[in-house]
Amino acid sequence: AQSVAQPEDQVNVAEGNPLTVKCTYSVSGNPYLFWYVQYPNRGLQFLLKYITGDNLVKGSYGFEAEFNKSQTSFHLKKPSALVSDSALYFCAVRDDQTGANNLFFGTGTRLTVIP
Amino acid sequence: ETGVTQTPRHLVMGMTNKKSLKCEQHLGHNAMYWYKQSAKKPLELMFVYSLEERVENNSVPSRFSPECPNSSHLFLHLHTLQPEDSALYLCASSQVQGYEQYFGPGTRLTVT
Repeated sequence: AQSVAQPEDQVNVAEGNPLTVKCTYSVSGNPYLFWYVQYPNRGLQFLLKYITGDNLVKGSYGFEAEFNKSQTSFHLKKPSALVSDSALYFCAVRDDQTGANNLFFGTGTRLTVIP
Repeated sequence: ETGVTQTPRHLVMGMTNKKSLKCEQHLGHNAMYWYKQSAKKPLELMFVYSLEERVENNSVPSRFSPECPNSSHLFLHLHTLQPEDSALYLCASSQVQGYEQYFGPGTRLTVT
């Protein structure tokens, strides 16, 4: 079975500080991992993905994520947070053994960047 | 904009009404999806169409009926809904052999 856990419902960080949004996953085969962001009254916007290769993945708006196979984690990071980064963040996973392109999403983490 | 549009953006309907949600993608993708987003819950995958064939129906009640007339358009027909069906309904598209999905802005549905 495939699943994603985002252990924090809410993350608060001061503007200019580094931010981390946590994600752990469970899959049968090798994972394909994704981060999405959702701003108010908008759909989900793709940020970055890990398929294979370098464990550190860089994405849009200065975000990056590190794939850690031993810890089954894929935490989202940014060196310096902006107020405009305040949004709802979703981690998603699928494995490489299913033929379908179905993604399994976490419950989301609300990030608030405090000016 | 992601290249996926949804109409209407907001919909209020009574339990006896019939309405339809529309999704259109301009990305040349060949797979389309309907998701339900409720507060504090993971996104629920409802339906998947791949090359215009329905390939997934995740135990969705029959009061939700999808239609995919071509690879660019996806509909969700609604009838005799319940108040617990109130949610944000998201459409997404991707390449069948691709990885990430691209989402529309959603339709906020309220069932009274």
